[in-house]
Amino acid sequence: DTAVSQTPKYLVTQMGNDKSIKCEQNLGHDTMYWYKQDSKKFLKIMFSYNNKELIINETVPNRFSPKSPDKAHLNLHINSLELGDSAVYFCASSQVPGRTLRFGPGTRLTVT
Amino acid sequence: GENVEQHPSTLSVQEGDSAVIKCTYSDSASNYFPWYKQELGKRPQLIIDIRSNVGEKKDQRIAVTLNKTAKHFSLHITETQPEDSAVYFCAASSGGGADGLTFGKGTHLIIQP
Repeated sequence: DTAVSQTPKYLVTQMGNDKSIKCEQNLGHDTMYWYKQDSKKFLKIMFSYNNKELIINETVPNRFSPKSPDKAHLNLHINSLELGDSAVYFCASSQVPGRTLRFGPGTRLTVT
Repeated sequence: GENVEQHPSTLSVQEGDSAVIKCTYSDSASNYFPWYKQELGKRPQLIIDIRSNVGEKKDQRIAVTLNKTAKHFSLHITETQPEDSAVYFCAASSGGGADGLTFGKGTHLIIQP
């Protein structure tokens, strides 16, 4: 009965490639997020989706695009990967925007 | 937008002693302040939270205090144990709208045996 799941757990790829990370939640939450955690452990919000509508887009390069086929899924697609994209990406969800987050297990992306 | 400052970045305490981590926030509209614990290689998990209508909340060995006037809040862990070793994040949110949580930069808590 995993609450928030992500695939893959590890992703190693070369610069210039395009990759996707998938996220699913079975909590019935209306809001989902993507956070990036860099090597210094800083957690920074990238996107949030509420009822399939993008409501936050921080200073994230347009190479990153979230896609939500339904309210239980929020996938992250990344074009033309760069070395600086290497990080752990966490999907999360909340019942109410800006309230308790439930995080997925994270995807460790390594760009070589 | 909201800015959350967290101190110290690293805290080492002897097992059994208390640990205190402090955070300040900038947005006076923020009204929800959670704390997350992240063990090595794992996801952040909520350990305690407080809303702006209360000044203190306790749950066994952990407590959080909030000073709205000064815009700061703190996490207190008493009788520390080896399993308390982790990175702790404070966060703030005004909620109700479109925002997610804004996190502090984390505190690496080390419990010395």
